[in-house]
Amino acid sequence: QQPVQSPQAVILREGEDAVINCSSSKALYSVHWYRQKHGEAPVFLMILLKGGEQKGHEKISASFNEKKQQSSLYLTASQLSYSGTYFCGTEGGGTSYGKLTFGQGTILTVHP
Amino acid sequence: DSGVTQTPKHLITATGQRVTLRCSPRSGDLSVYWYQQSLDQGLQFLIQYYNGEERAKGNILERFSAQQFPDLHSELNLSSLELGDSALYFCASSVAVGGLAAGSYNEQFFGPGTRLTVL
Repeated sequence: QQPVQSPQAVILREGEDAVINCSSSKALYSVHWYRQKHGEAPVFLMILLKGGEQKGHEKISASFNEKKQQSSLYLTASQLSYSGTYFCGTEGGGTSYGKLTFGQGTILTVHP
Repeated sequence: DSGVTQTPKHLITATGQRVTLRCSPRSGDLSVYWYQQSLDQGLQFLIQYYNGEERAKGNILERFSAQQFPDLHSELNLSSLELGDSALYFCASSVAVGGLAAGSYNEQFFGPGTRLTVL
């Protein structure tokens, strides 16, 4: 089942903060976060593993609540370059390992 | 640049035709994934190959098939094309960080995509 992202869209001014949420009805092994700009490929931001480990490459933080099967992505002091569509991809364990199911996306627009 | 290459970049064809999309993974990555992205369906997982073997299957139609070759490149074949098949098709590759140990994970790197237009 597709995870549900909220909100669907966010409009910010530079320097403001935003939180994007991702909820799943299934037990998860990991949650992956990607950002996609229009017409381009999704770019990896962060992965959160069951057990609390986080692996990321940018100055973005996230959390993973295993009990609720929810993840939140925290964007602080937003920059113009943060604009794009953010997707969470959820991965179950066992035979679902490696298979990502993506949410519908959250459109983030940052204005000067 | 993720290191994943896809060809062609754009493909325009007619209904009923067959096309082949090609993907070369990053050097050293054994897993290849195919995704379809359309406006109404979002980003949908189609299929995963690991070192030449099919590993996981998603919402892939019977008209679609894929394979991964010994040199690890992969091809996605779409046949009897319909208007609704028009979409961006992404390939991603990954290597399992941590191998099979607990806490291992797959960071997927996406290629630039092939935009398929069916007229």
